[in-house]
Amino acid sequence: GAGVSQSPSNKVTEKGKDVELRCDPISGHTALYWYRQSLGQGLEFLIYFQGNSAPDKSGLPSDRFSAERTGGSVSTLTIQRTQQEDSAVYLCASSPQWGGELFFGEGSRLTVL
Amino acid sequence: KNQVEQSPQSLIILEGKNCTLQCNYTVSPFSNLRWYKQDTGRGPVSLTIMTFSENTKSNGRYTATLDADTKQSSLHITASQLSDSASYICVVGAGNNRKLIWGLGTSLAVNP
Repeated sequence: GAGVSQSPSNKVTEKGKDVELRCDPISGHTALYWYRQSLGQGLEFLIYFQGNSAPDKSGLPSDRFSAERTGGSVSTLTIQRTQQEDSAVYLCASSPQWGGELFFGEGSRLTVL
Repeated sequence: KNQVEQSPQSLIILEGKNCTLQCNYTVSPFSNLRWYKQDTGRGPVSLTIMTFSENTKSNGRYTATLDADTKQSSLHITASQLSDSASYICVVGAGNNRKLIWGLGTSLAVNP
């Protein structure tokens, strides 16, 4: 597709369950970002991948959060043992180069009951 | 501490009117400044990206200005349309790693 694709668009889960969120970046984009946006709040940086470099994980809020990017393309954000405070919209963005313009997906809305 | 502050927090204007949104930042070293538009329930969309040497940049009815000396930026919207109703977010790139510092946004409502 032409844009960044995220799935699922909506996910409702029970507290304590694990969830996986997927991001398909724009083809050829080397940089990939994950952000979290709680209701009415600004974007919170989670993790950043750039090519084959080690990811910048400085924004991950706890060790329950992890992400990987396979083959320099698709990325998966995993949240283990979900908590109610994890409820938010998780946004993925890709960029053609380091520090370049970001192209965002439509987000995955996570609701933890 | 690197920070980006936006004002006003929210704004209501009538269709056809102009408006200006403000962004003040304390980010060092400065790399670039971006404005994004975020419609409700959608991902942000880039409007402009400005580097240190750029004072003004336009994208249709949107014009962004940058004063690197005072560390201020503004986004001017001309002849507003109902579709301009959205959150407008100022983002500053910091340092050699170009870490992005996000503002909380200005929520704009354009009423008929």
